[in-house]
Amino acid sequence: QVQLQESGPGLVKASQTLSLTCSVSGDSLSRGGYYWNWIRQHPGRGLEWIGNIIYSGTTSYNTSLKSRLTISLDMSKNQFSLNLSSVTAADSAVYYCARGVAAVADLDYWGQGTLVTVSS
Amino acid sequence: DIQMTQSPSFVSASVGDRVTITCRASQGIRGMLAWYQQKPGKAPRLLIYAASSLQSGVPSRFSGSGFGTDFTLTISSLQPEDFAIYFCQQGYSFLTFGPGTTVDVK
Repeated sequence: QVQLQESGPGLVKASQTLSLTCSVSGDSLSRGGYYWNWIRQHPGRGLEWIGNIIYSGTTSYNTSLKSRLTISLDMSKNQFSLNLSSVTAADSAVYYCARGVAAVADLDYWGQGTLVTVSS
Repeated sequence: DIQMTQSPSFVSASVGDRVTITCRASQGIRGMLAWYQQKPGKAPRLLIYAASSLQSGVPSRFSGSGFGTDFTLTISSLQPEDFAIYFCQQGYSFLTFGPGTTVDVK
């Protein structure tokens, strides 16, 4: 059974960098055919795709966040991470990590989500 | 960027009703469309992938159809556990989600 778990600070100060890690069990990040995603959801609102990474380290980013965003892999720990710089209150949201199936571009396994609040 | 719209935004329905939700893409996405169900405080759950394929473990009362720009999700006979928010998502060019459709109790 594939499981994903987000971890990181629940509170980040404005202008600083938001850093989250997704730990994956039941699958290997080094296996092809999948991409590893970050998605966020502002309270009471819809879902926003942030970006993803594949086993080779190739990334794809939401154009609206690209200038502030870095997604990376740590194969040794079977984890992938999100760094979002220069955060503002607009970055306060629930952040999810999810596994994407390359062939059909869906998200079949999700973490439970972690709430991140940006404080001034 | 590909934009996704959904209609209606809200559906009031009763147990046993047939419910249909529509999703439209701003440009053709072939069959690269997924549907998710989300309940309060939970992560989305994949229901349908590739527009019409039922994800393992999902009840057969859920079905999807469509190709190109227009897609539908149908719940053939609404059950109490189906009251939730439903999102579509395109995967043709990066990923974009629709704004969601809330299915609540009439």
